[in-house]
Amino acid sequence: DIQMTQSPSSLSASVGDRVTITCRASQTISTYLNWYQQRPGKAPTLLIYGVSKLHSGVPSRFSGSGSGTDFTLSINNLQPEDFATYYCQQIYNTPWTFGQGTKVEIK
Amino acid sequence: QVQLVQSGPEVKQPGASVKVSCKPSGDTFTDFGLSWVRQAPGQGLEWMGWISAYNGNTKYARRFQGGFTMTTDTSTSTAYMELRSLTSDDTAVYYCVSGYSYGAGAFDYWGQGTLVTVSS
Repeated sequence: DIQMTQSPSSLSASVGDRVTITCRASQTISTYLNWYQQRPGKAPTLLIYGVSKLHSGVPSRFSGSGSGTDFTLSINNLQPEDFATYYCQQIYNTPWTFGQGTKVEIK
Repeated sequence: QVQLVQSGPEVKQPGASVKVSCKPSGDTFTDFGLSWVRQAPGQGLEWMGWISAYNGNTKYARRFQGGFTMTTDTSTSTAYMELRSLTSDDTAVYYCVSGYSYGAGAFDYWGQGTLVTVSS
């Protein structure tokens, strides 16, 4: 199975900050990489698919990059509603696997 | 607008089985491919498997093979997951999800989740 490792596991940031979350795959996954956001007590929602393509309705302050084994999710101008947990997911091979999550907290 | 509506919370004893339903709406049932994803309390997301509502084809995560079954009923447009021989480690929220717009693995629609609690 492909292991997905996110860093950091948590971070503290302020409204207006830029944050970057890293996701590393245990083997190459080309561009088969998605990102999700999960707010407390809610189901996750898709943010980005195919490394860098924004899901419909997702604000442009979110962006993704990378290929192969190393990927990043960036959030510009952090907003109060962005404080949540973020997960990367590979869909290169089944079982489709997720990173362990990165919790973005308010500083 | 696609929606996935799941059945309600369940409390089961260890060793029992649980069956959770998922009813998609907003498109023809047989156009859906559905996955099941679970999340234990305070933990991350775990993909369990995928089923095609068109022909019933399935892909299972290896660690769930044997004690986990996904099915669909086209007469009622409902998908089901059944988990057998439950242990406390199976206590989790189970999500029915669909990769509707961008491919099977990009889950753009999620059910509301079904909490399954395994406790004696």
